[in-house]
Amino acid sequence: DSGVTQTPKHLITATGQRVTLRCSPRSGDLSVYWYQQSLDQGLQFLIQYYNGEERAKGNILERFSAQQFPDLHSELNLSSLELGDSALYFCASSADEGVSYEQYFGPGTRLTVT
Amino acid sequence: DAKTTQPNSMESNEEEPVHLPCNHSTISGTDYIHWYRQLPSQGPEYVIHGLTSNVNNRMASLAIAEDRKSSTLILHRATLRDAAVYYCILRDYSNSGYALNFGKGTSLLVTP
Repeated sequence: DSGVTQTPKHLITATGQRVTLRCSPRSGDLSVYWYQQSLDQGLQFLIQYYNGEERAKGNILERFSAQQFPDLHSELNLSSLELGDSALYFCASSADEGVSYEQYFGPGTRLTVT
Repeated sequence: DAKTTQPNSMESNEEEPVHLPCNHSTISGTDYIHWYRQLPSQGPEYVIHGLTSNVNNRMASLAIAEDRKSSTLILHRATLRDAAVYYCILRDYSNSGYALNFGKGTSLLVTP
């Protein structure tokens, strides 16, 4: 158990809909990262927050957005969903920023868009 | 970002040592070498990291070549639970901040 929790575990929705994925980092961790894992693209970085502020963006679509709240939990919002958005979405947290800090991953949310 | 090259797959017998290689010939002086693994149906898991010196922890050992252009993750005694995809990742501050840049990794099969 990494200490990172993600809800829901599974989500099935239709094209055009909007969903929210939730992540609770390990206690005390300030940094939250979101990653997407699909069969054809592998694990890709989406976005990072640190202590409530957006710090870095990766291959995140404009239809996707995220935020980190004062209690440090984070939400990833996916809108106007397309079939290609079906993937595993992982959240990871680390104690601080920096290359020597390891990231702890949650169990993921499996999103299926039909 | 500096790139890493890993074999697509490797096979090992249970209770034998496993040496997983990683080439990173364009590594910069500030790149840390990180290893993560992903067990089936789970999120990635941190294994070990290092900069220049060899490192040991309870999970594995990391051997870094003197010129830092390659490294090897060593599992001292493979178990069935070690069957996973192992990712060798170079980390430095980049356009993606401190995010992990996962490649395809090495799929390790452990047979009894």
